[in-house]
Amino acid sequence: DVKVTQSSRYLVKRTGEKVFLECVQDMDHENMFWYRQDPGLGLRLIYFSYDVKMKEKGDIPEGYSVSREKKERFSLILESASTNQTSMYLCASDSRQGNEKLFFGSGTQLSVL
Amino acid sequence: AQKITQTQPGMFVQEKEAVTLDCTYDTSDQSYGLFWYKQPSSGEMIFLIYQGSYDEQNATEGRYSLNFQKARKSANLVISASQLGDSAMYFCAMREFLRGGSEKLVFGKGTKLTVNP
Repeated sequence: DVKVTQSSRYLVKRTGEKVFLECVQDMDHENMFWYRQDPGLGLRLIYFSYDVKMKEKGDIPEGYSVSREKKERFSLILESASTNQTSMYLCASDSRQGNEKLFFGSGTQLSVL
Repeated sequence: AQKITQTQPGMFVQEKEAVTLDCTYDTSDQSYGLFWYKQPSSGEMIFLIYQGSYDEQNATEGRYSLNFQKARKSANLVISASQLGDSAMYFCAMREFLRGGSEKLVFGKGTKLTVNP
């Protein structure tokens, strides 16, 4: 079974802290994605990556950066956390095939105080 | 501009009845894919069904079918014989193929379905 693992289920940070959210997949997928989910807004794409060291901005990249040094790992970085970044963060991956579904991690609920 | 529009924030259906969840999309590409995901209160994202833009037949998976109307750019999810366990958030999503071989998946805002006994 494909596994997408997010390092933390719940995280509490203070305003201004640098925050790292880690995501690891074990199926050799080329594509990896970071979304945030907020009530009433659905899932919004923050960043995605289609290969090692390659990254593309999604729809809401402001305040975030990413790192993909290894194929299996995709990290989301909040350089200076703010309260409006309190959200559920979902990582996902898939292979580069048109009908391949996204495999999701279980999510990280981040609270920035 | 919104790429995926789900106009129904909430829907109610009686157990054993059928329900249609609406989804319209916006793209100028010829090649794209459409997905539906279910998210129960546990939070996990469950893949339901996929429709490719070149697929001539509507996709079906058990009690789920996708009513694909390409000219109208709509991809409605039909759930037949609703069950209590179908109560969840439902998200429509579109895969866009980008230059350089990358692709991205964008989601709608979701529809909360409640199945009443």
